[in-house]
Amino acid sequence: GEDVEQSLFLSVREGDSSVINCTYTDSSSTYLYWYKQEPGAGLQLLTYIFSNMDMKQDQRLTVLLNKKDKHLSLRIADTQTGDSAIYFCAESLRGSTLGRLYFGRGTQLTVWP
Amino acid sequence: EPEVTQTPSHQVTQMGQEVILRCVPISNHLYFYWYRQILGQKVEFLVSFYNNEISEKSEIFDDQFSVERPDGSNFTLKIRSTKLEDSAMYFCASSSDRASSYNEQFFGPGTRLTVL
Repeated sequence: GEDVEQSLFLSVREGDSSVINCTYTDSSSTYLYWYKQEPGAGLQLLTYIFSNMDMKQDQRLTVLLNKKDKHLSLRIADTQTGDSAIYFCAESLRGSTLGRLYFGRGTQLTVWP
Repeated sequence: EPEVTQTPSHQVTQMGQEVILRCVPISNHLYFYWYRQILGQKVEFLVSFYNNEISEKSEIFDDQFSVERPDGSNFTLKIRSTKLEDSAMYFCASSSDRASSYNEQFFGPGTRLTVL
């Protein structure tokens, strides 16, 4: 089955950039997503990228997609303490009737003041 | 802002007991999902539901699991005879978009199920 992998932890200093990486195995992905989970809350969609795009920028967020290497990254510029959370990479595949999502384990981002 | 709600936030049960996890999706959404995350592991898809029918289910969703939309607002997940390995955080999600296009799924805060 489809496998999505992410590193588990990332620590950065406030004001620095954070880069969270994700790899996946199935090349028939349609969309790739980044979700954010704060303590006690559900997963909140941060951003997404269509699989035929290479890059998407949305304010402080930049998503890069390397289809050849099946690698997705999320860059957060000027990281703030409020960005501390768990970030999940996810994808949906062609042929899934209702867009079933395949998730990684999540990366715990800790931002130090 | 509308949100998905789930009750209870934490459920403790004895092995072999039945549990029902409840979700109230966003009111105009048509597509509903259950996922779970065992501690330290990936978030895993269980089932998707549309038009009062299961649309897709994973290999985890065996005969011990069932879903229902009993009254047009709630969406429930029932586990008939819980096992220790069912201990996990269970997330409900809903969406309004067709799966063939970009599909934003809105997640609830989860129910932590502990099976003793």
